[in-house]
Amino acid sequence: QSALTQPASVSGSPGQSITISCTGTSSDVGGYNYVSWYQQHPGKAPKLMIYDVSNRPSGVSDRFSGSKSGNTASLTISGLQAEDEAEYYCNSYTSGTTWVFGGGTKLTVL
Amino acid sequence: QLQLQESGPGLVKPSETLSLTCTVSGDSISSSSHYWGWIRQPPGKGLDWIGNIYYDGSTHYNPSLKSRVTISVDTSKNHFSLKLTAVTAADTAVYYCARRRPGSSCRDSWGQGMLVTVSS
Repeated sequence: QSALTQPASVSGSPGQSITISCTGTSSDVGGYNYVSWYQQHPGKAPKLMIYDVSNRPSGVSDRFSGSKSGNTASLTISGLQAEDEAEYYCNSYTSGTTWVFGGGTKLTVL
Repeated sequence: QLQLQESGPGLVKPSETLSLTCTVSGDSISSSSHYWGWIRQPPGKGLDWIGNIYYDGSTHYNPSLKSRVTISVDTSKNHFSLKLTAVTAADTAVYYCARRRPGSSCRDSWGQGMLVTVSS
């Protein structure tokens, strides 16, 4: 199974909105609504931000939202804050009853 | 409050077996219908899914590791374990355990992670 494709880096200014894409195939992202997004700060464990494409766990800011179109899922962060600067990973279920992660996107808040 | 904690040797020699345990507190593995899994992250790199086990003992593994991986559960100790055989330097990583809700991509609880270095 190949890793999902994410941009290596994105950036935005405080208050702006950014979107991170996660592209797979019809055997993973496109075939199931089992896409999640994780935020990881340096030296810390990943934190779940979005699950099942667009659901937010309790306690996660509503500035974070998820969507999917075809084989591409997206994470949008609105009203960027300095604390949002981190690495973001997407994760999808696959037809092989396994899971695959994206390569990660480093978000820089300018 | 649910907590997961990885434990095991932090240094393993090449060709030997890496063994880690994830101890669960705040939930019962045997009565909780969740998936319990392992994810790793080589230094400076991305996340890599290793595999998971259901409370009934059924397992699924990353095809690239399947021949070397075994995940098992010990309900009496409320922990689950990872064994990875014939390790090489490429297996050096931070290893995380995590819980996932069935029928969902909701992997909401993670351990803090444990660095395992493969070196002679």
